[in-house]
Amino acid sequence: AQSVSQHNHHVILSEAASLELGCNYSYGGTVNLFWYVQYPGQHLQLLLKYFSGDPLVKGIKGFEAEFIKSKFSFNLRKPSVQWSDTAEYFCAVSLAGNTGKLIFGQGTTLQVKP
Amino acid sequence: DGGITQSPKYLFRKEGQNVTLSCEQNLNHDAMYWYRQDPGQGLRLIYYSQIVNDFQKGDIAEGYSVSREKKESFPLTVTSAQKNPTAFYLCASTRAFLGGANVLTFGAGSRLTVL
Repeated sequence: AQSVSQHNHHVILSEAASLELGCNYSYGGTVNLFWYVQYPGQHLQLLLKYFSGDPLVKGIKGFEAEFIKSKFSFNLRKPSVQWSDTAEYFCAVSLAGNTGKLIFGQGTTLQVKP
Repeated sequence: DGGITQSPKYLFRKEGQNVTLSCEQNLNHDAMYWYRQDPGQGLRLIYYSQIVNDFQKGDIAEGYSVSREKKESFPLTVTSAQKNPTAFYLCASTRAFLGGANVLTFGAGSRLTVL
């Protein structure tokens, strides 16, 4: 069965530190890749997505992610985090040609200390 | 503003009771989804519906039921057969299926606690 794995469950960083959250998926076919974020008390919302083209995608609030097909990975990065980035981050995959349903990773809770 | 409304926000239920969670969207989206969120497990798909009067089971459908009688509404019933119903339930929707390249819009969620 297809699955999505996020390596870090809880990350604590100081402001201005760099961030990289790992995401790997298990599926050999064509995929669409997403990162969603859930800020405290807010709806789950899209951070960025990859459908095709340039494997380095940029999202909101200075986040970016790189799709490495050979590694089945879609890691999320930000050069310098802010306190307001404290949130839970979810990697998700949908299979091209599928019903549009997403398979989510376990989530990573990011805590940024001011 | 367009969006997804889930109600109630918090719900307490005694064991053995069925409960229905409401999900209404005014985005004119065709597809709707129900996910369950548990700490450390991410979101798991319960049911989804791509068109009115049609729905499919997701990965953890046992103990749940849904209906899709109207395009804007997709209620979820948590039955007494669901062994571990205490969780945070999220409803989502998206436009017509785009070959998997769909961005979901999520509601604020309903937190169900079984006493």
